[in-house]
Amino acid sequence: NAGVMQNPRHLVRRRGQEARLRCSPMKGHSHVYWYRQLPEEGLKFMVYLQKENIIDESGMPKERFSAEFPKEGPSILRIQQVVRGDSAAYFCASSVRRGRQGTLYGYTFGSGTRLTVV
Amino acid sequence: DQQVKQNSPSLSVQEGRISILNCDYTNSMFDYFLWYKKYPAEGPTFLISISSIKDKNEDGRFTVFLNKSAKHLSLHIVPSQPGDSAVYFCATGGADGLTFGKGTHLIIQP
Repeated sequence: NAGVMQNPRHLVRRRGQEARLRCSPMKGHSHVYWYRQLPEEGLKFMVYLQKENIIDESGMPKERFSAEFPKEGPSILRIQQVVRGDSAAYFCASSVRRGRQGTLYGYTFGSGTRLTVV
Repeated sequence: DQQVKQNSPSLSVQEGRISILNCDYTNSMFDYFLWYKKYPAEGPTFLISISSIKDKNEDGRFTVFLNKSAKHLSLHIVPSQPGDSAVYFCATGGADGLTFGKGTHLIIQP
């Protein structure tokens, strides 16, 4: 199964700790997106990356959040000094390309990482 | 300011009947419209899409209708089955990627 792989599935952190969420895109996909789903909310776009480049981070909180997609290895979403409000499900998606063709056929999502801050 | 609105947080439908999920959008520049289905503890999965040049797309029990003048999108599921119980997200797409609504929780009752 060469789907989008996210790990860990569940992550518990104490307030002030760092959370690192990993995402390996589907084979052949070079575009990665991170979305966050807060309780009772829809999927909110956070960041769009290609290998070694952040293309669009308009949905990322200005502080404590960062993302990378290195030349080798998975994409990482890093949250420093976590707070209770960061508790959410974080989904990664990938696509062959962004824009028209990629959009028509949608993104392939991973199963998500559920972050709980205690 | 929500660009994609799903005004019904939940919908209950009897098994065998038609389920109609609705979605409104504000940006007339969107090129594509999609529906995703999500089960608890899983990621969303792509269900069906439609291009802005069409007004209907059908795939088995699922049909998506697009009314561009009203900026309205709907998903029809007929007949509804127990396995259709899930959260359905409407999404709109253009050159800048996908924008999602908040979702509608569809409950199919036996």
